[in-house]
Amino acid sequence: GAGVSQSPSNKVTEKGKDVELRCDPISGHTALYWYRQRLGQGLEFLIYFQGNSAPDKSGLPSDRFSAERTGESVSTLTIQRTQQEDSAVYLCASSLRGGPRTDTQYFGPGTRLTVL
Amino acid sequence: AQKVTQAQTEISVVEKEDVTLDCVYETRDTTYYLFWYKQPPSGELVFLIRRNSFDEQNEISGRYSWNFQKSTSSFNFTITASQVVDSAVYFCALSEGPRAGNNRKLIWGLGTSLAVNP
Repeated sequence: GAGVSQSPSNKVTEKGKDVELRCDPISGHTALYWYRQRLGQGLEFLIYFQGNSAPDKSGLPSDRFSAERTGESVSTLTIQRTQQEDSAVYLCASSLRGGPRTDTQYFGPGTRLTVL
Repeated sequence: AQKVTQAQTEISVVEKEDVTLDCVYETRDTTYYLFWYKQPPSGELVFLIRRNSFDEQNEISGRYSWNFQKSTSSFNFTITASQVVDSAVYFCALSEGPRAGNNRKLIWGLGTSLAVNP
């Protein structure tokens, strides 16, 4: 079946604008994660969704960041009033289940965000 | 605190050489999982292996092999007879077990950039 897909693949925006990033997880995967990868860095966890449970937002860097997920399908990550330090690749991953199982996370191709 | 250290930032080898990528981790949990991912120049993260803390058996998959040693908290990755197509950034990651609750987020090393030259 299809892997994780993300859109857009690239996004260039001006400082202060809002952006919305989309993730389509693998069908049937109940757990969904957003990570951020800054240039030359490892990945930073942002937010976790598991089924209909309340999301774990502990990794969101500021209140300008928010995310939603409809059931066990599409998720959107929204960054309001973008800043230059938000420039990064935003990666989405899904796994068959979340805790208490630790299933492998499969990643999408990412959205490269550039804030001018 | 949980932490993953990949001390080698960049490695350059000539094709057909063997190369080992080091990964050292820290965790307070007794149940945890370790992963290796490959990120080629295209940018997409490719899953390579997943290992749980109760399984210290080494694993071999073709030219790839992994050496997990709990005594030294290491999970090293060896590529035998490297090829140009192996050129990529390789990430080691840790996911904790019950201590993490339901969120099994991955804690990442900074990656090792491997260049295999012809």
